[in-house]
Amino acid sequence: DAGVIQSPRHEVTEMGQEVTLRCKPISGHNSLFWYRQTMMRGLELLIYFNNNVPIDDSGMPEDRFSAKMPNASFSTLKIQPSEPRDSAVYFCASSSQMGGELFFGEGSRLTVL
Amino acid sequence: QQPVQSPQAVILREGEDAVINCSSSKALYSVHWYRQKHGEAPVFLMILLKGGEQKGHEKISASFNEKKQQSSLYLTASQLSYSGTYFCGTAPRRGSNDYKLSFGAGTTVTVRA
Repeated sequence: DAGVIQSPRHEVTEMGQEVTLRCKPISGHNSLFWYRQTMMRGLELLIYFNNNVPIDDSGMPEDRFSAKMPNASFSTLKIQPSEPRDSAVYFCASSSQMGGELFFGEGSRLTVL
Repeated sequence: QQPVQSPQAVILREGEDAVINCSSSKALYSVHWYRQKHGEAPVFLMILLKGGEQKGHEKISASFNEKKQQSSLYLTASQLSYSGTYFCGTAPRRGSNDYKLSFGAGTTVTVRA
């Protein structure tokens, strides 16, 4: 299997611009997680889905952040408008069952100038 | 709520042992352990589900004391490849469809020749 695929790998944008991060989970996995990693805050859980349904989005920092999972093979995390403090590495991870091993994508490194 | 890891960092010589601790203020259903090398995604090591259960990965093992809400990761006869940041992830299970996995701040392990 190709593993969890994230795009873009690197994104540099200016404050105020819209950013969309994409994730393709491993085929057959029904749980999907979005994490954000920074030096200051570590790995933060933003939102997670089970069977395409958002279960808990309490980690989403502000209304500027939104996430969707329109089908089992695709999810997006959108930031609109972006701010410099959003700069981080965003990881998507999937699991074959809720509570099982997480398989992480390689991450999307976002820099907001 | 994020678990607390200790120590924050440890430096070892090849062949030495180390213990990383993870504790939570809430009752736990399970504990995950992951290792992340610089610039890469976290990689799964093991999951522990029952009190006192131990699991192993190479010469890395872990225990989980459900009553004390604690887990420990044991690095035995460390190798250079063990260098990286180790994260514990904990989840208080609220339902079969709910599995909020939160990670600790991480413990950076450096193994020197």
